[in-house]
Amino acid sequence: GAVVSQHPSRVICKSGTSVKIECRSLDFQATTMFWYRQFPKQSLMLMATSNEGSKATYEQGVEKDKFLINHASLTLSTLTVTSAHPEDSSFYICSASSGSLTSGANVLTFGAGSRLTVL
Amino acid sequence: GEDVEQSLFLSVREGDSSVINCTYTDSSSTYLYWYKQEPGAGLQLLTYIFSNMDMKQDQRLTVLLNKKDKHLSLRIADTQTGDSAIYFCAIRKGKLIFGQGTELSVKP
Repeated sequence: GAVVSQHPSRVICKSGTSVKIECRSLDFQATTMFWYRQFPKQSLMLMATSNEGSKATYEQGVEKDKFLINHASLTLSTLTVTSAHPEDSSFYICSASSGSLTSGANVLTFGAGSRLTVL
Repeated sequence: GEDVEQSLFLSVREGDSSVINCTYTDSSSTYLYWYKQEPGAGLQLLTYIFSNMDMKQDQRLTVLLNKKDKHLSLRIADTQTGDSAIYFCAIRKGKLIFGQGTELSVKP
Protein backbone atom coordinates (compact mmCIF):
# COMPACT_ATOMS: atom_id res chain seq x y z
CA GLY A 1 0.00 0.00 0.00
CA ALA A 2 0.84 3.67 -0.02
CA VAL A 3 3.69 4.65 2.28
CA VAL A 4 4.76 8.09 3.42
CA SER A 5 8.18 8.43 5.01
CA GLN A 6 8.94 11.35 7.31
CA HIS A 7 12.40 12.29 8.53
CA PRO A 8 13.72 12.96 11.11
CA SER A 9 11.44 11.31 13.62
CA ARG A 10 12.93 13.33 16.45
CA VAL A 11 15.01 16.48 16.44
CA ILE A 12 16.30 18.71 19.19
CA CYS A 13 17.67 22.11 18.31
CA LYS A 14 18.76 25.32 19.95
CA SER A 15 16.58 28.39 19.94
CA GLY A 16 17.22 30.54 16.89
CA THR A 17 18.29 27.75 14.57
CA SER A 18 16.33 26.34 11.64
CA VAL A 19 15.13 22.78 11.25
CA LYS A 20 14.09 20.97 8.07
CA ILE A 21 11.64 18.07 8.05
CA GLU A 22 11.25 15.90 4.97
CA CYS A 23 8.17 14.08 3.79
CA ARG A 24 8.45 11.52 0.99
CA SER A 25 5.85 9.42 -0.77
CA LEU A 26 7.68 6.16 -1.38
CA ASP A 27 5.56 4.29 -3.89
CA PHE A 28 3.27 6.87 -5.39
CA GLN A 29 3.35 10.38 -6.71
CA ALA A 30 1.73 13.05 -4.61
CA THR A 31 0.91 16.32 -6.27
CA THR A 32 -0.47 17.50 -2.96
CA MET A 33 0.89 16.97 0.52
CA PHE A 34 -0.39 18.33 3.80
CA TRP A 35 1.44 19.49 6.91
CA TYR A 36 -0.15 19.24 10.34
CA ARG A 37 0.86 20.25 13.81
CA GLN A 38 -0.27 18.37 16.87
CA PHE A 39 0.03 19.53 20.47
CA PRO A 40 0.01 16.97 23.29
CA LYS A 41 -3.38 15.37 23.81
CA GLN A 42 -4.89 17.48 21.05
CA SER A 43 -6.13 17.08 17.54
CA LEU A 44 -4.25 17.72 14.34
CA MET A 45 -4.21 21.27 13.08
CA LEU A 46 -3.70 21.71 9.37
CA MET A 47 -0.89 24.18 8.80
CA ALA A 48 -0.60 24.23 5.04
CA THR A 49 -1.28 22.44 1.80
CA SER A 50 1.84 21.80 -0.24
CA ASN A 51 1.44 21.79 -4.01
CA GLU A 52 4.14 20.43 -6.31
CA GLY A 53 5.65 23.15 -8.41
CA SER A 54 3.77 26.01 -6.78
CA LYS A 55 3.53 27.92 -3.54
CA ALA A 56 2.01 26.32 -0.51
CA THR A 57 -1.39 27.39 0.73
CA TYR A 58 -1.27 28.30 4.39
CA GLU A 59 -4.11 28.12 6.86
CA GLN A 60 -5.21 31.23 8.65
CA GLY A 61 -2.91 32.14 11.50
CA VAL A 62 0.07 30.13 10.26
CA GLU A 63 3.13 32.28 9.56
CA LYS A 64 4.41 31.45 6.09
CA ASP A 65 7.77 33.06 6.79
CA LYS A 66 8.16 30.98 9.89
CA PHE A 67 7.16 27.68 8.38
CA LEU A 68 8.66 27.41 4.92
CA ILE A 69 7.25 24.69 2.70
CA ASN A 70 8.86 23.48 -0.49
CA HIS A 71 7.38 20.82 -2.74
CA ALA A 72 10.27 20.22 -5.08
CA SER A 73 9.09 17.03 -6.72
CA LEU A 74 6.11 14.72 -6.90
CA THR A 75 7.52 12.63 -4.08
CA LEU A 76 9.10 15.16 -1.72
CA SER A 77 7.85 18.04 0.39
CA THR A 78 9.87 19.78 3.08
CA LEU A 79 8.88 21.91 6.04
CA THR A 80 11.51 24.24 7.45
CA VAL A 81 10.90 25.82 10.83
CA THR A 82 12.97 28.98 10.71
CA SER A 83 14.47 30.67 13.76
CA ALA A 84 12.85 28.10 15.99
CA HIS A 85 11.73 29.01 19.48
CA PRO A 86 10.56 26.82 22.37
CA GLU A 87 6.93 27.51 21.51
CA ASP A 88 7.51 25.83 18.14
CA SER A 89 8.15 22.57 19.94
CA SER A 90 5.49 20.20 18.73
CA PHE A 91 4.73 17.06 16.75
CA TYR A 92 4.63 17.74 13.02
CA ILE A 93 2.93 15.26 10.72
CA CYS A 94 2.75 15.20 6.95
CA SER A 95 0.30 13.38 4.76
CA ALA A 96 -0.28 12.77 1.09
CA SER A 97 -3.16 11.57 -0.98
CA SER A 98 -2.57 8.28 -2.73
CA GLY A 99 -5.40 9.22 -5.05
CA SER A 100 -7.55 6.13 -4.80
CA LEU A 101 -9.62 6.60 -7.92
CA THR A 102 -11.65 3.44 -7.48
CA SER A 103 -13.17 4.39 -4.17
CA GLY A 104 -13.17 8.12 -4.55
CA ALA A 105 -12.55 8.38 -0.84
CA ASN A 106 -9.35 10.35 -1.41
CA VAL A 107 -7.73 8.64 1.51
CA LEU A 108 -4.75 10.35 3.08
CA THR A 109 -1.64 8.43 4.07
CA PHE A 110 0.23 9.90 7.01
CA GLY A 111 3.89 9.96 7.86
CA ALA A 112 5.01 8.78 11.29
CA GLY A 113 5.53 12.35 12.48
CA SER A 114 8.49 14.40 13.63
CA ARG A 115 8.89 15.45 17.25
CA LEU A 116 10.59 18.84 17.40
CA THR A 117 12.02 20.06 20.69
CA VAL A 118 13.49 23.56 20.78
CA LEU A 119 15.70 24.28 23.76
CA GLY B 1 -19.33 24.44 18.66
CA GLU B 2 -16.50 22.59 17.00
CA ASP B 3 -17.00 21.00 13.60
CA VAL B 4 -16.22 17.53 14.94
CA GLU B 5 -16.50 16.47 18.57
CA GLN B 6 -15.49 13.35 20.43
CA SER B 7 -15.32 12.34 24.04
CA LEU B 8 -11.74 12.39 25.24
CA PHE B 9 -11.39 9.09 27.07
CA LEU B 10 -12.75 5.57 27.04
CA SER B 11 -11.65 2.69 29.22
CA VAL B 12 -12.71 -0.91 28.62
CA ARG B 13 -11.65 -4.36 29.70
CA GLU B 14 -9.92 -6.71 27.31
CA GLY B 15 -12.47 -8.79 25.42
CA ASP B 16 -15.26 -6.24 25.79
CA SER B 17 -16.61 -4.14 22.95
CA SER B 18 -15.56 -0.50 22.64
CA VAL B 19 -17.79 2.15 21.18
CA ILE B 20 -16.25 5.48 20.26
CA ASN B 21 -18.66 8.24 19.37
CA CYS B 22 -18.34 11.31 17.20
CA THR B 23 -20.71 14.13 16.32
CA TYR B 24 -20.27 16.64 13.53
CA THR B 25 -21.97 19.78 12.34
CA ASP B 26 -21.46 19.79 8.56
CA SER B 27 -23.26 17.04 6.69
CA SER B 28 -21.74 17.78 3.30
CA SER B 29 -18.84 15.36 3.72
CA THR B 30 -19.13 12.54 1.17
CA TYR B 31 -16.94 10.29 3.26
CA LEU B 32 -16.35 10.07 7.00
CA TYR B 33 -13.19 8.54 8.38
CA TRP B 34 -11.74 6.85 11.43
CA TYR B 35 -8.01 7.06 12.09
CA LYS B 36 -5.90 5.44 14.79
CA GLN B 37 -2.81 7.00 16.34
CA GLU B 38 -0.46 5.00 18.49
CA PRO B 39 1.92 6.83 20.88
CA GLY B 40 4.54 8.87 19.07
CA ALA B 41 3.32 7.83 15.64
CA GLY B 42 1.39 9.21 12.72
CA LEU B 43 -2.20 8.40 11.86
CA GLN B 44 -3.29 5.13 10.38
CA LEU B 45 -6.54 4.93 8.45
CA LEU B 46 -8.79 2.33 10.03
CA THR B 47 -11.88 2.62 7.92
CA TYR B 48 -14.18 5.06 6.21
CA ILE B 49 -17.85 5.14 5.30
CA PHE B 50 -19.66 6.66 2.36
CA SER B 51 -22.24 9.17 3.50
CA ASN B 52 -25.18 7.33 1.95
CA MET B 53 -24.46 4.23 4.03
CA ASP B 54 -25.76 3.52 7.50
CA MET B 55 -23.29 0.85 8.46
CA LYS B 56 -20.02 -0.65 7.39
CA GLN B 57 -18.39 -3.70 8.91
CA ASP B 58 -14.77 -4.68 8.51
CA GLN B 59 -13.66 -7.61 10.66
CA ARG B 60 -13.75 -6.38 14.29
CA LEU B 61 -14.71 -2.86 13.28
CA THR B 62 -18.27 -1.64 12.77
CA VAL B 63 -19.02 1.92 11.72
CA LEU B 64 -22.50 3.30 12.22
CA LEU B 65 -23.63 6.54 10.63
CA ASN B 66 -26.76 8.42 11.66
CA LYS B 67 -27.00 11.29 9.23
CA LYS B 68 -30.14 12.70 10.79
CA ASP B 69 -28.42 13.12 14.14
CA LYS B 70 -24.98 13.77 12.56
CA HIS B 71 -23.54 11.00 14.66
CA LEU B 72 -20.77 8.58 13.73
CA SER B 73 -19.58 5.70 15.87
CA LEU B 74 -16.85 3.11 15.74
CA ARG B 75 -17.38 -0.20 17.47
CA ILE B 76 -14.41 -2.46 18.13
CA ALA B 77 -15.42 -5.98 18.99
CA ASP B 78 -13.31 -8.15 21.31
CA THR B 79 -11.07 -5.23 22.23
CA GLN B 80 -7.42 -6.15 22.74
CA THR B 81 -4.62 -4.38 24.59
CA GLY B 82 -3.09 -3.64 21.19
CA ASP B 83 -6.14 -1.52 20.41
CA SER B 84 -5.05 1.02 23.04
CA ALA B 85 -4.50 4.23 21.09
CA ILE B 86 -6.11 7.53 20.22
CA TYR B 87 -8.92 7.33 17.70
CA PHE B 88 -9.83 10.28 15.52
CA CYS B 89 -12.94 10.71 13.46
CA ALA B 90 -12.72 13.07 10.52
CA ILE B 91 -14.93 14.65 7.93
CA ARG B 92 -13.99 16.35 4.70
CA LYS B 93 -14.90 19.99 4.40
CA GLY B 94 -12.55 20.87 1.59
CA LYS B 95 -9.78 19.77 3.90
CA LEU B 96 -9.94 17.01 6.49
CA ILE B 97 -11.36 18.16 9.82
CA PHE B 98 -10.45 15.99 12.78
CA GLY B 99 -12.12 15.56 16.11
CA GLN B 100 -10.10 15.96 19.29
CA GLY B 101 -9.41 12.25 19.49
CA THR B 102 -10.62 9.62 21.95
CA GLU B 103 -7.98 7.92 24.02
CA LEU B 104 -8.91 4.27 24.35
CA SER B 105 -7.41 2.43 27.28
CA VAL B 106 -7.77 -1.35 27.35
CA LYS B 107 -7.24 -3.00 30.69
CA PRO B 108 -6.26 -6.67 30.88
